[in-house]
Amino acid sequence: NAGVTQTPKFRILKIGQSMTLQCTQDMNHNYMYWYRQDPGMGLKLIYYSVGAGITDKGEVPNGYNVSRSTTEDFPLRLELAAPSQTSVYFCASSYLGLAGASAGELFFGEGSRLTVL
Amino acid sequence: AQSVAQPEDQVNVAEGNPLTVKCTYSVSGNPYLFWYVQYPNRGLQFLLKYITGDNLVKGSYGFEAEFNKSQTSFHLKKPSALVSDSALYFCAVRGRSSNTGKLIFGQGTTLQVKP
Repeated sequence: NAGVTQTPKFRILKIGQSMTLQCTQDMNHNYMYWYRQDPGMGLKLIYYSVGAGITDKGEVPNGYNVSRSTTEDFPLRLELAAPSQTSVYFCASSYLGLAGASAGELFFGEGSRLTVL
Repeated sequence: AQSVAQPEDQVNVAEGNPLTVKCTYSVSGNPYLFWYVQYPNRGLQFLLKYITGDNLVKGSYGFEAEFNKSQTSFHLKKPSALVSDSALYFCAVRGRSSNTGKLIFGQGTTLQVKP
């Protein structure tokens, strides 16, 4: 019962470096999300996907990119790391079926803690 | 615009006492409402949800939540708190007309249960 798996769990980057946070889910969920969590700020949505090949921006997309080539995988790319991207990143997935069939609760990974110095 | 407010940054209760963590929301139409719990250095875990019907929803670990449409609230409750309930709790909302599945989260409330 893996659920949502994120790698790496921890990473330190230098300013200007690039990296990809990996996310995979084995629940055959159609929807996937990336959130960032900053202390006292709750969770902010970065990007989301409603299915393979379809992605869209959330509240705070600047500095990030995503792709969704398969149902299972939803990687998040940081192109030019900045100190403002120091945060904990959470990937989540959900299943939205026919109206009323599912409330679409999110299932979260364990998080990736990123520090940019 | 949809929003969620958790008015208390921290709630302190003694073990064995009842606890309440407050949540109010703003959304067009009828909402789906959720509570999540986060333990230190862990992901968010789903506790319970309100879809429709009975206003009192029961969830995991003895938690329940009461939906009040007139007050647009969805407070989390537990009759008898445990030290192990100490964690960060998030309320979240989604409008029923939303086809993106996006949840809007509150800022979180830290629950501290003291022995």
